[in-house]
Amino acid sequence: EPEVTQTPSHQVTQMGQEVILRCVPISNHLYFYWYRQILGQKVEFLVSFYNNEISEKSEIFDDQFSVERPDGSNFTLKIRSTKLEDSAMYFCASSGVLSYNEQFFGPGTRLTVL
Amino acid sequence: QKEVEQDPGPLSVPEGAIVSLNCTYSNSAFQYFMWYRQYSRKGPELLMYTYSSGNKEDGRFTAQVDKSSKYISLFIRDSQPSDSATYLCAMSLYGNNRLAFGKGNQVVVIP
Repeated sequence: EPEVTQTPSHQVTQMGQEVILRCVPISNHLYFYWYRQILGQKVEFLVSFYNNEISEKSEIFDDQFSVERPDGSNFTLKIRSTKLEDSAMYFCASSGVLSYNEQFFGPGTRLTVL
Repeated sequence: QKEVEQDPGPLSVPEGAIVSLNCTYSNSAFQYFMWYRQYSRKGPELLMYTYSSGNKEDGRFTAQVDKSSKYISLFIRDSQPSDSATYLCAMSLYGNNRLAFGKGNQVVVIP
């Protein structure tokens, strides 16, 4: 069964450093998303991406964040200068064109900012 | 008022019991309703997906949507220890693919 994959599973970084989180969405999906979940809190929407551009972003997704689809299979989230409060699980998700609300999530990357 | 409210539990039930979970929401424009299952330190797994009001059944799982009351439910029949997880409700607007999640409800099924 096709699934969303994410690497790395755990990333530890120093405050102020740049991190890139990687995702491989389900191959025939065209909508891609990033969500995050701070420990003990709700899953929060960050950004959606379609047709090589951001289709929507939340107030969390400020200038420190960027997304890219560098090739036909990968989807990345970059945090330019990490803060302590960026520590969270980051989930990538993807969905098909006909049912874009039916989103399938990857296993997540746990980001720890020290 | 919070957008999506879900009682975090935990909810403990004996094996074989019916599990009943629910969420309330404030935005009457929500049209799509989902239930996800999340095991500890894993990603959310889509369980049920419904559009607008009504019931949907899939095996031991039944999802109900009552838009007039802004209330959705998930029922798990004949619960198994493997059903022990956190269950998240999520919803979105028509024409918008941003999911709004509840906080999740932890379920423990005791053998």
